[in-house]
Amino acid sequence: SAVISQKPSRDICQRGTSLTIQCQVDSQVTMMFWYRQQPGQSLTLIATANQGSEATYESGFVIDKFPISRPNLTFSTLTVSNMSPEDSSIYLCSATGLAGAQYNEQFFGPGTRLTVL
Amino acid sequence: GQNIDQPTEMTATEGAIVQINCTYQTSGFNGLFWYQQHAGEAPTFLSYNVLDGLEEKGRFSSFLSRSKGYSYLLLKELQMKDSASYLCASRGNDYKLSFGAGTTVTVRA
Repeated sequence: SAVISQKPSRDICQRGTSLTIQCQVDSQVTMMFWYRQQPGQSLTLIATANQGSEATYESGFVIDKFPISRPNLTFSTLTVSNMSPEDSSIYLCSATGLAGAQYNEQFFGPGTRLTVL
Repeated sequence: GQNIDQPTEMTATEGAIVQINCTYQTSGFNGLFWYQQHAGEAPTFLSYNVLDGLEEKGRFSSFLSRSKGYSYLLLKELQMKDSASYLCASRGNDYKLSFGAGTTVTVRA
């Protein structure tokens, strides 16, 4: 199995500012994703973080608002830009494809709880 | 797209068995996942089914029928700590997970 860590675990931010969330996996993985979970709701996929190329965004999410980096097989960042209170949510990193071959598990990081005032 | 349906809430008694059903519709299928999520915490991976049949892991078992687009999670010998939200998620050929709304299970003494 893989262990995923995220930083920060939580933050309170002012409207109009940006926050970058880091995700670190303890093993090399093929696929990394970013999800959002708003209060009382299930998880929604924001984007697939592609190593060495631009992330692939889901409908309703755009690169200018949620820029993503993935410089290698164990690390990714998600930035929430020009924040508004509607961005208050839990942001979760997910990974699968351990060692490039194991896709029968998909793990989540502990999440980053973001509150925008 | 992937439409995932599961019941909103279930209640059971400590020591009993509960079965959480999930139906899905998918344009490309690459596995069915179940996760447990306690309030304020991240989802914890429970099970993965890609072939038809039952997978057993201790007190938890998961079943899949691909032809029916149907899965269930079976929780046996319920304990108070099993009170949580249980999320059904189907995965497409692009490895993206689509989640149901979750089933809140309440275990009563």
